Amino acid sequence: ETGVTQSPTHLIKTRGQQVTLRCSSQSGHNTVSWYQQALGQGPQFIFQYYREEENGRGNFPPRFSGLQFPNYSSELNVNALELDDSALYLCASSFRGPYGYTFGSGTRLTVV
Amino acid sequence: DQQVKQNSPSLSVQEGRISILNCDYTNSMFDYFLWYKKYPAEGPTFLISISSIKDKNEDGRFTVFLNKSAKHLSLHIVPSQPGDSAVYFCAASVLSGGTYKYIFGTGTRLKVLA
Repeated sequence: ETGVTQSPTHLIKTRGQQVTLRCSSQSGHNTVSWYQQALGQGPQFIFQYYREEENGRGNFPPRFSGLQFPNYSSELNVNALELDDSALYLCASSFRGPYGYTFGSGTRLTVV
Repeated sequence: DQQVKQNSPSLSVQEGRISILNCDYTNSMFDYFLWYKKYPAEGPTFLISISSIKDKNEDGRFTVFLNKSAKHLSLHIVPSQPGDSAVYFCAASVLSGGTYKYIFGTGTRLKVLA
């Protein structure tokens, strides 16, 4: 049973650029959620995907978008990067419902 | 609006003693609570959970207590071990728009001293 893998582990981008982060779900999980963790904060819910459709969204602007693929892998896209987007981005997979997540190790994004 | 609060950013405990981590919440609609542990450079790892219909759940050295009237939960670790040193997040789940999403606290850094 493989866990959740995220790529890349670290990334440096310039303000205004676009970035794509990738996530492979744990085998058997059909739901993927993305979280942003700023320094000193808890993870903040960005959105969740189930059956390739967005299934809930937190308080993030539309320049944060995502995709889920038939194999349940997922992407997080952020356009027009801002300095405040610098954070650890966590992907988590689960079964649909109030079940605990399996988190990946995250992608550390730095916007300069 | 921080619906899940961990008011202690850090805690130091002697090895073998009890560690008590606390969490308060404001939303009475939360129906499921979880604790996660996070080591540096790793993602959070699920530790233990409790349904809102229960007041206690135990798993080995870890026990979670839920006091719904006080909107408070706590994680007890007995006995504490140096390997327990990590950041602990409590999280609460809420059904919103057909989706269960988790709201996390800001974390408590536990240091277990040998």
